[in-house]
Amino acid sequence: AQSVTQLDSHVSVSEGTPVLLRCNYSSSYSPSLFWYVQHPNKGLQLLLKYTSAATLVKGINGFEAEFKKSETSFHLTKPSAHMSDAAEYFCVVSDTSGQGGSEKLVFGKGTKLTVNP
Amino acid sequence: GAGVSQSPSNKVTEKGKDVELRCDPISGHTALYWYRQSLGQGLEFLIYFQGNSAPDKSGLPSDRFSAERTGGSVSTLTIQRTQQEDSAVYLCASSSLIGGQETQYFGPGTRLLVL
Repeated sequence: AQSVTQLDSHVSVSEGTPVLLRCNYSSSYSPSLFWYVQHPNKGLQLLLKYTSAATLVKGINGFEAEFKKSETSFHLTKPSAHMSDAAEYFCVVSDTSGQGGSEKLVFGKGTKLTVNP
Repeated sequence: GAGVSQSPSNKVTEKGKDVELRCDPISGHTALYWYRQSLGQGLEFLIYFQGNSAPDKSGLPSDRFSAERTGGSVSTLTIQRTQQEDSAVYLCASSSLIGGQETQYFGPGTRLLVL
């Protein structure tokens, strides 16, 4: 079964400093991996996705993630945090084992990012 | 263009009552998913529809939960005889295949509170 583990439930950084949100995955086949962001009282927004084309994936708002098969990791980074980055971030893997071609998403527990002025 | 819309945005109901939640997917998207986000369980898959194929209902937590998708577009999720543990945010997503890759776009959710 596909699963993801987000190693930190809460990360706090100062504005202008780097962001690192950690994620490890477990997959029986080459996975599709995603990072989604959820701002308070807002819907889920796709930040970026990995689908085996390139191991370094660039997303929106300056975020990027690197797929490392040897470490089964897909950590999310950003060089310089902005106040508007404060939100909850979800690492997600696609599970295609369901019927009818379903590609249901399996979510990590989330990492809440706080950005201090 | 318009994104995924859901209604109502908030619903408060009494234990034992039935509720219906609605999802309008992005026009042209053939696949539709329902998820639930709760404090205890995080985000979890409920059900998937794709065109005329049989739905994947493997995530429905009990037989009180059902969903349908009429005409390949709008979907309703019905919860019968609601229980307090059904309180959660119910999220709908629709998806399209671009270059063979699927991307799911989420609606704002319906926040359900069962008293």
